[in-house]
Amino acid sequence: DTAVSQTPKYLVTQMGNDKSIKCEQNLGHDTMYWYKQDSKKFLKIMFSYNNKELIINETVPNRFSPKSPDKAHLNLHINSLELGDSAVYFCASSSWEGGLSYNEQFFGPGTRLTVL
Amino acid sequence: GNSVTQMEGPVTLSEEAFLTINCTYTATGYPSLFWYVQYPGEGLQLLLKATKADDKGSNKGFEATYRKETTSFHLEKGSVQVSDSAVYFCALSGTGNTPLVFGKGTRLSVIA
Repeated sequence: DTAVSQTPKYLVTQMGNDKSIKCEQNLGHDTMYWYKQDSKKFLKIMFSYNNKELIINETVPNRFSPKSPDKAHLNLHINSLELGDSAVYFCASSSWEGGLSYNEQFFGPGTRLTVL
Repeated sequence: GNSVTQMEGPVTLSEEAFLTINCTYTATGYPSLFWYVQYPGEGLQLLLKATKADDKGSNKGFEATYRKETTSFHLEKGSVQVSDSAVYFCALSGTGNTPLVFGKGTRLSVIA
């Protein structure tokens, strides 16, 4: 059973289009994340949701809009795609156990977005 | 803010060679430290973790010790295999469900 899944795996589209990436986790976690990995493999947090509420938005352009219909899903919608949006987008999830517990995150396989 | 610095790659080693990938961090409080691995064309997998000072994380022959005095979490393996070829990321997390802060990744290539 896949723990964190993303669709699609590959997405090729033209500049100016609007596209969505879906993420689902079956781990029962309450927190989900979107990370962006650029062409140099650098990974950076974009958004974080806890119990369907946005808790972190790291200076991401307004064209990116995450939506969390329930705790198991966190989708990423991107408007007016630009060349610079080409990257691999990773979804992740974790569970907050309280206190000083560590934060092990489980990652999806990634979605490679190519904007032409 | 929190940050992670790891040695730049690529690193190319012969099979059975000793591996060290350096990682140092800057953080407030008591972060947890992780090494993630990304095999070609795949997502990230947790390789090992350490949640407090002097903890040693280990998995698949890899080890890393959480050194608070030197703010380091270096990854080591005594004898690498071709199948270890991947990109390795050092990361840290504060308490709670804070996002991971990653280093820039180190690409390891192991040749037979």
